[in-house]
Amino acid sequence: DADVTQTPRNRITKTGKRIMLECSQTKGHDRMYWYRQDPGLGLRLIYYSFDVKDINKGEISDGYSVSRQAQAKFSLSLESAIPNQTALYFCATSDPGQGEQYFGPGTRLTVT
Amino acid sequence: AQSVTQPDIHITVSEGASLELRCNYSYGATPYLFWYVQSPGQGLQLLLKYFSGDTLVQGIKGFEAEFKRSQSSFNLRKPSVHWSDAAEYFCAVADGSGNTGKLIFGQGTTLQVKP
Repeated sequence: DADVTQTPRNRITKTGKRIMLECSQTKGHDRMYWYRQDPGLGLRLIYYSFDVKDINKGEISDGYSVSRQAQAKFSLSLESAIPNQTALYFCATSDPGQGEQYFGPGTRLTVT
Repeated sequence: AQSVTQPDIHITVSEGASLELRCNYSYGATPYLFWYVQSPGQGLQLLLKYFSGDTLVQGIKGFEAEFKRSQSSFNLRKPSVHWSDAAEYFCAVADGSGNTGKLIFGQGTTLQVKP
């Protein structure tokens, strides 16, 4: 089984709808991250969490919120989806001091 | 502010030819540097990383990268490309202590391999 899983893998939703993307990990890492990937822009950090009680905004947090339900679970919500949130979303985990991150397979979100 | 630049958006090489993907970073202290690969429909996989020590680092799948502080570069190389190497490649930098846990990614380079 994959160490970092994301659900759903693909989602099409309409403008104004609320949507939640979920991430689970079995690596036992405290740190978790949400990124979005857009063509030509690489990956940009939305939110990150160093433990269940520590959540921080990243580079592009406007329009998004997160919930860290447990060490292994980190969810990303779009309260009212808009078309420019159409992107590929990745969850990642890491160990403190290691630097490298481990990525899930991604969720492709389309907002019409 | 930290930044990473990958000057080549798209590169095409013939199978069996050598490959070099460029990465330049902007960071005041000693950086932690990474190369990731993203195959179509897949997440990102770590190819290699540089934290300290030997400036030539070996990674998986026959890739290597060289850290050059004087040029603020961390270029990825492979002596002979295989068709399965076609993918998107990302360079990333973290702060030297690694304690922030945050990575800054370049824009990515798409590699196409001709038969």
